[in-house]
Amino acid sequence: AQSVTQLDSQVPVFEEAPVELRCNYSSSVSVYLFWYVQYPNQGLQLLLKYLSGSTLVKGINGFEAEFNKSQTSFHLRKPSVHISDTAEYFCAVSDDRGSTLGRLYFGRGTQLTVWP
Amino acid sequence: EAGVVQSPRYKIIEKKQPVAFWCNPISGHNTLYWYRQNLGQGPELLIRYENEEAVDDSQLPKDRFSAERLKGVDSTLKIQPAELGDSAVYLCASSLVGTGGTDTQYFGPGTRLTVL
Repeated sequence: AQSVTQLDSQVPVFEEAPVELRCNYSSSVSVYLFWYVQYPNQGLQLLLKYLSGSTLVKGINGFEAEFNKSQTSFHLRKPSVHISDTAEYFCAVSDDRGSTLGRLYFGRGTQLTVWP
Repeated sequence: EAGVVQSPRYKIIEKKQPVAFWCNPISGHNTLYWYRQNLGQGPELLIRYENEEAVDDSQLPKDRFSAERLKGVDSTLKIQPAELGDSAVYLCASSLVGTGGTDTQYFGPGTRLTVL
């Protein structure tokens, strides 16, 4: 089975500062990688995903992530955060094996808090 | 376009009582997922449907949990009897069938269950 480790449970930053949310995964097969955001009392919303091709993936709200196969990482970055970015962020992985096709494995989440 | 609809949004019951959650996926999506999200954790898949067929239910505790997806559209997840450890947020997601791990899953707002 796949597993995902989000190294930071909480990340506090000031508005307009850059931020990086770290994600590492373990897998013996090719994977697909995702970042989701969850605002309070809402469902998860897809920020971006890596399927293949360019290792730098751009998503919504100015976020981007870089797939690093040698380090099995998929860190999420934003050069300048806003207070509205305050939310829980989840990294997820899936694979294309038949038995678990489409199953997403999530990390425990990182709470990003942006202070004015 | 309407998103994934779930009801109720909140449910409080006493242990040993039954409870049911309802999900209406995005129109045209034939793959439906139920996830459980415990406090401070990422979502974990309980069951995945392709049309009416449950194709991945290995994580569903079948002694007390059951699910159905009649006519390949709406779905109901039931717990009977509920235990204290079932307190969690139950998320429903849907996607278009495709190449499995590349499908984008769209999540509903969830049902927050509290078992007393």
